[in-house]
Amino acid sequence: TQLLEQSPQFLSIQEGENLTVYCNSSSVFSSLQWYRQEPGEGPVLLVTVVTGGEVKKLKRLTFQFGDARKDSSLHITAAQTGDTGLYLCAGPETGGTSYGKLTFGQGTILTVHP
Amino acid sequence: NAGVTQTPKFQVLKTGQSMTLQCAQDMNHNSMYWYRQDPGMGLRLIYYSASEGTTDKGEVPNGYNVSRLNKREFSLRLESAAPSQTSVYFCASILRGFISNQPQHFGDGTRLSIL
Repeated sequence: TQLLEQSPQFLSIQEGENLTVYCNSSSVFSSLQWYRQEPGEGPVLLVTVVTGGEVKKLKRLTFQFGDARKDSSLHITAAQTGDTGLYLCAGPETGGTSYGKLTFGQGTILTVHP
Repeated sequence: NAGVTQTPKFQVLKTGQSMTLQCAQDMNHNSMYWYRQDPGMGLRLIYYSASEGTTDKGEVPNGYNVSRLNKREFSLRLESAAPSQTSVYFCASILRGFISNQPQHFGDGTRLSIL
């Protein structure tokens, strides 16, 4: 069973601060996805990282996939109150019967205070 | 653009009651999934349907049944609700499960409380 461990579980910061969320596993993943979920809504995909060492930027969000494809990080620069939400990492199950199934991390609840 | 629609949005049941959670997608997706979300545990897969006419168990299937009614609709049934099934339930879909790196599209969830 592939597990994804996210840290920290909770993050409370002031607007303008920087932060990093980590997603770690002992298993190799072919890719990792990051989702963001706002209260009362379902998760929405932010990014997919595919290549070991890959870095993707989405405005103030920077996503990195570890060289060994066992971990990923999400860095937010100058956080804004609109960044508040639950951040989830997810990786695809491997094997011929995976059928798009994902393993999710426990999530990181980010609260950005004005 | 509706995407994935779940009904109802909220429901309160008594222990032992049954109910069906409905999910429909209008994106012509082939694969559909049911998850439950509990605090500190991320999303856990209950059942999935790789394509119309097929269903299979996920990580936490006990106490649930599913029906893939047609390509659009995938329902989740609780036959005899238990307090441990209090959770937020999400339905998701994907165009083709065997093609990698596609996003799952989620509904807005059903918040279910069992007393």
